[in-house]
Amino acid sequence: QSVLTQPPSVSGAPGQRVTISCTGSSSNIGAGYGVHWYRQFPGTAPKLLIYDNYNRPSGVPDRFSGSKSGTSASLAITGLQAEDEADYYCQSYDSSLSGLVFGGGTKVTVL
Amino acid sequence: EVQLVESGGVLVPPGGSLRLSCAASGFTFSTYAMSWVRQAPGKGLEWVSGIGGSGGSTHYADSVKGRFTTSRDNSKNTMSLQMNSLRPEDTAVYYCASSAGGLIGSFDYWGQGTLVTVSS
Repeated sequence: QSVLTQPPSVSGAPGQRVTISCTGSSSNIGAGYGVHWYRQFPGTAPKLLIYDNYNRPSGVPDRFSGSKSGTSASLAITGLQAEDEADYYCQSYDSSLSGLVFGGGTKVTVL
Repeated sequence: EVQLVESGGVLVPPGGSLRLSCAASGFTFSTYAMSWVRQAPGKGLEWVSGIGGSGGSTHYADSVKGRFTTSRDNSKNTMSLQMNSLRPEDTAVYYCASSAGGLIGSFDYWGQGTLVTVSS
């Protein structure tokens, strides 16, 4: 069981908006540590999508946005495209564990 | 261009040892914290260990503490993971990843991964 909780799957039609939640606790997200998001295609390495809650690295489209409130964070994908089908992971730091933690991952399916 | 290249993954029997390496290029290696992240077949991502830019600070997940040791050589732009007392549950693709924001920052770049299989 992951320290950060994500829904196993979300789906949407092309052009729609989907959101992925990441629920933590007072020792990680709620303690103010940054939340980061990664996308992973099958058989490839993860790639950074959002860092420090809402920042996009160079080259990441503005269709991807991050937010954070209390002990939770969210990743939103607008204008959903077939190429967005992938696994998405949130990540933060946990002070109780003194280590980095990931969510269990969410599979995005484009209908 | 930033490149991280892992090597050393093989089939090893339970109780055995293995050393993984990560070769970095395209950035000022000594100013970045580095981590090992693994992914068991069909499973999610799990942080394994991290090391500060100078190499003076290391951290480990409870699942590997006392069995794995991370080190780095900034003169050669390399990081290593010494894995001892390997267990079947250590079977995974092991990725090295860089963090400009320090040990608790995001993983900015990832290698392609190297597969470690622990089985008799």
